[in-house]
Amino acid sequence: AQTVTQSQPEMSVQEAETVTLSCTYDTSENNYYLFWYKQPPSRQMILVIRQEAYKQQNATENRFSVNFQKAAKSFSLKISDSQLGDTAMYFCAFIGETSYDKVIFGPGTSLSVIP
Amino acid sequence: GAVVSQHPSRVICKSGTSVKIECRSLDFQATTMFWYRQFPKQSLMLMATSNEGSKATYEQGVEKDKFLINHASLTLSTLTVTSAHPEDSSFYICSARRAGGGFMGYTFGSGTRLTVV
Repeated sequence: AQTVTQSQPEMSVQEAETVTLSCTYDTSENNYYLFWYKQPPSRQMILVIRQEAYKQQNATENRFSVNFQKAAKSFSLKISDSQLGDTAMYFCAFIGETSYDKVIFGPGTSLSVIP
Repeated sequence: GAVVSQHPSRVICKSGTSVKIECRSLDFQATTMFWYRQFPKQSLMLMATSNEGSKATYEQGVEKDKFLINHASLTLSTLTVTSAHPEDSSFYICSARRAGGGFMGYTFGSGTRLTVV
């Protein structure tokens, strides 16, 4: 069974600084998709960034980038130039090609951006 | 972009009554909808998966007679919490997968906070 682990329950970062959130996963599938979702206090789930496992190039979306290490089954999120609006829960998520109906979420990391 | 409307955003009901939560895809057809439950400071827990026109598939441990899911059209799915009790109080979120969206086409509703008193 696939699992997603986020080892940092809480993190904080100074405004304008850079922070990295960790995510590891376990799967026997060769092709899958990884996501980072943000859930601010409004609780709306917002897609931050996504990565297809067959792509070696790390995905980037403005201030957000990932470090995808397929062999290590690691998928960390780097937030550059942190802003107060980045304060939220961040969930790492996995979808396997053979079980694509089910999005498997990690336990989440609560990120606080400090002014 | 794809939008999923979820209503109500908040509901308070008395113990023993039933509550219906709606999830609509506004600008796309949703072949599959997912219902999640989220406890405070915890992750999303998948409750069930529904495909348009067929019965929902429930995750292990989720009572299908308590959490009735209907997906009658490609744009609407409903979750009815029957005979609600205080332990059913939680945050419920729906997610819709766009037809043809493959693994990338998931959009979440804004959630419903249910309080049973």
